[in-house]
Amino acid sequence: DAGVIQSPRHEVTEMGQEVTLRCKPISGHDYLFWYRQTMMRGLELLIYFNNNVPIDDSGMPEDRFSAKMPNASFSTLKIQPSEPRDSAVYFCASKLLGTGGIGELFFGEGSRLTVL
Amino acid sequence: KNQVEQSPQSLIILEGKNCTLQCNYTVSPFSNLRWYKQDTGRGPVSLTIMTFSENTKSNGRYTATLDADTKQSSLHITASQLSDSASYICVVSALMDSNYQLIWGAGTKLIIKP
Repeated sequence: DAGVIQSPRHEVTEMGQEVTLRCKPISGHDYLFWYRQTMMRGLELLIYFNNNVPIDDSGMPEDRFSAKMPNASFSTLKIQPSEPRDSAVYFCASKLLGTGGIGELFFGEGSRLTVL
Repeated sequence: KNQVEQSPQSLIILEGKNCTLQCNYTVSPFSNLRWYKQDTGRGPVSLTIMTFSENTKSNGRYTATLDADTKQSSLHITASQLSDSASYICVVSALMDSNYQLIWGAGTKLIIKP
């Protein structure tokens, strides 16, 4: 398997523009996570899905952020309108639950977003 | 409050030397603890997982320990190599409200100098 695939790897945009980040999880994995990473705050969970259904979106910072998972092989994270403080690396990860919740998270390479 | 604290925040050592990274947690109910390695510009990759009954586990030059009584874990790197330069992140899993939640540490940035 090719692993978790994210696009774009880098995105530079201007404040107010819409940004869409994409993720293809590992085939067969039933959980998908969106994380944001900054130097100041480390890794922050934004939202996660189980079998394409959003389970916990309490980490989504504001209504400007939205995420969808229309099928088992694709998810998007959208920011509209974007702001400079949204600049960060956004990671997508997927996993199988595993016995006792010990399933390993497999991360994509991340999408580095810069909002000017 | 569920928290994971790592120390030191950063560490610089010479190639070939050993080092130990620490992870203290106040997570309950504890399910398991993982150490991830994150190379610059890449996503984190799991090194090892520790469950409640495990005290020590090795993965090549990496050895993780877990003391469930004191809620401490360590990651020991033996004979460091330049490729060990990375951030090492400790994450603890807790079963809450029928869902497993992950509590992430801030990471230790390790730099290996030749």
